[in-house]
Amino acid sequence: QKEVEQNSGPLSVPEGAIASLNCTYSDRGSQSFFWYRQYSGKSPELIMSIYSNGDKEDGRFTAQLNKASQYVSLLIRDSQPSDSATYLCAVSKGSWGKLQFGAGTQVVVTP
Amino acid sequence: NAGVMQNPRHLVRRRGQEARLRCSPMKGHSHVYWYRQLPEEGLKFMVYLQKENIIDESGMPKERFSAEFPKEGPSILRIQQVVRGDSAAYFCASSPSIQRVFGEQFFGPGTRLTVL
Repeated sequence: QKEVEQNSGPLSVPEGAIASLNCTYSDRGSQSFFWYRQYSGKSPELIMSIYSNGDKEDGRFTAQLNKASQYVSLLIRDSQPSDSATYLCAVSKGSWGKLQFGAGTQVVVTP
Repeated sequence: NAGVMQNPRHLVRRRGQEARLRCSPMKGHSHVYWYRQLPEEGLKFMVYLQKENIIDESGMPKERFSAEFPKEGPSILRIQQVVRGDSAAYFCASSPSIQRVFGEQFFGPGTRLTVL
């Protein structure tokens, strides 16, 4: 079992629609959860962080965390072509510990 | 504020040569991490360093790879006697000394290593 699992996609989303990405993790000791966006050939860019159960909203992005079910999700509202990228879920066990990454979900926003 | 800096951005080496990758963390960041992304694969942790200390090297290959973060200057990831399988993107990330959210890391632009 992989420590962090994501659907690989591609996830095709019409422009203006909501993109929903899911991630599950295996280590119950995980404390912090992150979503990174990575454009092809570029480096990961941190877009959301969450460490308490519930929802966290930032602009068009909403992260949801459920520690009991060991999943974290990301919603992208009003999807734009510029949102087309690979979204990486990452999990950390401690304050300065390593990040465990999922394989990423490719999102394609179609005009 | 300058972000995480890495150089070179692209590095070409022949089999058997040495590769040296450099990383300067963001201002105010004293924690440095190295990750490797092989073609069509995910990001894999390699090593976590603080100034003059290796904290976690559980992801480093046992041979040919080494890392340091000296008191002065950038962090260095060194690959000796490179092989074609070392061709990958190597990313450095840094984390602030005082964290707003535990575990936040910010990535540099990466070094794309190609071994001929």
